[in-house]
Amino acid sequence: DVVLTQTPPTLSATIGQSVSISCRSSQSLLHSNGNTYLHWLLQRPGQSPQLLIYLVSRLESGVPNRFSGSGSGTDFTLKISGVEAEDLGVYYCVQGTHALWTFGGGTKLELK
Amino acid sequence: EVQLQQSGAELGKPGTSVKLSCKVSGYNIRNTYMHWVNQRPGKGLEWIGRIDPANGNTIYAEKFKSKATLTADTSSNTAYMQLSQLKSDDTAIYFCAMSLTYWGQGVMVTVSS
Repeated sequence: DVVLTQTPPTLSATIGQSVSISCRSSQSLLHSNGNTYLHWLLQRPGQSPQLLIYLVSRLESGVPNRFSGSGSGTDFTLKISGVEAEDLGVYYCVQGTHALWTFGGGTKLELK
Repeated sequence: EVQLQQSGAELGKPGTSVKLSCKVSGYNIRNTYMHWVNQRPGKGLEWIGRIDPANGNTIYAEKFKSKATLTADTSSNTAYMQLSQLKSDDTAIYFCAMSLTYWGQGVMVTVSS
C-alpha cells in the first residue's frame, strides 16, 4: 500500500508568514495516463475537509491564490504565501493514483 | 448546488451494526464514485472504501473489508455504509465524499454498552 508521510506534523506561524508542508510518497504517484493524483485538503476545526489543490498544482475554484502546490513523482509540497487566520487547521495530502485513496498523517497549522 | 446530507449521530452497542446514509442533491451519483472516510477522535483521515453507484462495484481498504459494506440506491440518489460487529475502536466521525470536492457534514458514531 502507498504510504504518504507529511512533515512537519505541527507548524507554528505568524500572520503573514510563508510556510511549506512536505508530502512524500512510498511509491511514485505518476499514473500511467500521465496524471499525478496528489491533492491537498484543509480541515478547519469542527468542519469537513475542503479541497485546496488537485493534481499536484491546480487550485480548486474559490481557493485563494496564496496557496500553491508543486512536486512530482514521490515528493510534493504545499506552500502558503502569507498565512491568514482562516488558514488555521489541519492539512492533508491525499493520493488517488493507486486505486485506493491514501491520506497523509496531517500537518496542524497553528498561530505562533 | 451539490450537497451531501448525512444521517444523524448513532449510538451503537458492541457487536451490533449501524447503517449510515448520505443523500446527494444537485448531482446524479451514477456519474461518480462515492467514498467513505473516517476520523477517530483526535486523529487523521482514513479512507474506508468507495462504490460505483452505476454498477455497485466496490473497493475497500484492507482493514475495512470485513467491517464496512457499501451500497447505493440510484433511485433516491443515496449512498449507504453499514458497519458491522461494532467495537469501541469504531467510535469515529464518518464522512461521505464525492470525489474530493464535495463532502458530507460527517456523522458521529459512538460505540458503547
